[in-house]
Amino acid sequence: DVKVTQSSRYLVKRTGEKVFLECVQDMDHENMFWYRQDPGLGLRLIYFSYDVKMKEKGDIPEGYSVSREKKERFSLILESASTNQTSMYLCASSFDQQGGNEQYFGPGTRLTVT
Amino acid sequence: AQSVTQLDSQVPVFEEAPVELRCNYSSSVSVYLFWYVQYPNQGLQLLLKYLSGSTLVKGINGFEAEFNKSQTSFHLRKPSVHISDTAEYFCAVSETGGGNKLTFGTGTQLKVEL
Repeated sequence: DVKVTQSSRYLVKRTGEKVFLECVQDMDHENMFWYRQDPGLGLRLIYFSYDVKMKEKGDIPEGYSVSREKKERFSLILESASTNQTSMYLCASSFDQQGGNEQYFGPGTRLTVT
Repeated sequence: AQSVTQLDSQVPVFEEAPVELRCNYSSSVSVYLFWYVQYPNQGLQLLLKYLSGSTLVKGINGFEAEFNKSQTSFHLRKPSVHISDTAEYFCAVSETGGGNKLTFGTGTQLKVEL
């Protein structure tokens, strides 16, 4: 079974802190994605990566950056956390760039910024 | 750019009753369509997907969906729901030839009552 793991289920940070969210997949998937999930808004794509050291902006990249140094690991970075970044963050991976491939999701990290 | 509309934010239904969760999409090109389910405190998992061919798609847990190109819809149905189907359901679309990016709807909370 494909497994996508996220470093924390729950995280509480203070405004202005630098926050790292880590995601690891064990199926040699090329694509990795970071979403945030908010009530009534569904999932919104923050950043994605099609290959190591490659990254592309999604729909809401402001305030975030990412790093992909190894194929299995995709990190989301909040350079200076703000209260409006309190949310559920979901990581996903998929096999390749062909459309129609299933995305596999991690369990999510619920981040609270106080 | 594509978009997905799930008009029903919540759908209450009694156990063993049928249910339909509605999804409409908008895109200027051909699309692939997906339904994902999110159980409480978990990530998303794929229920079913439409890539091509037969417009009636069967998925896991007795769910099915029908692709209707003229109405740009992909409604999800189950003839008899169980209490364990209580979850949030997300419709998503990706453009053919557009890599593996998904655009999600805002979700429908299905609540099955005894």
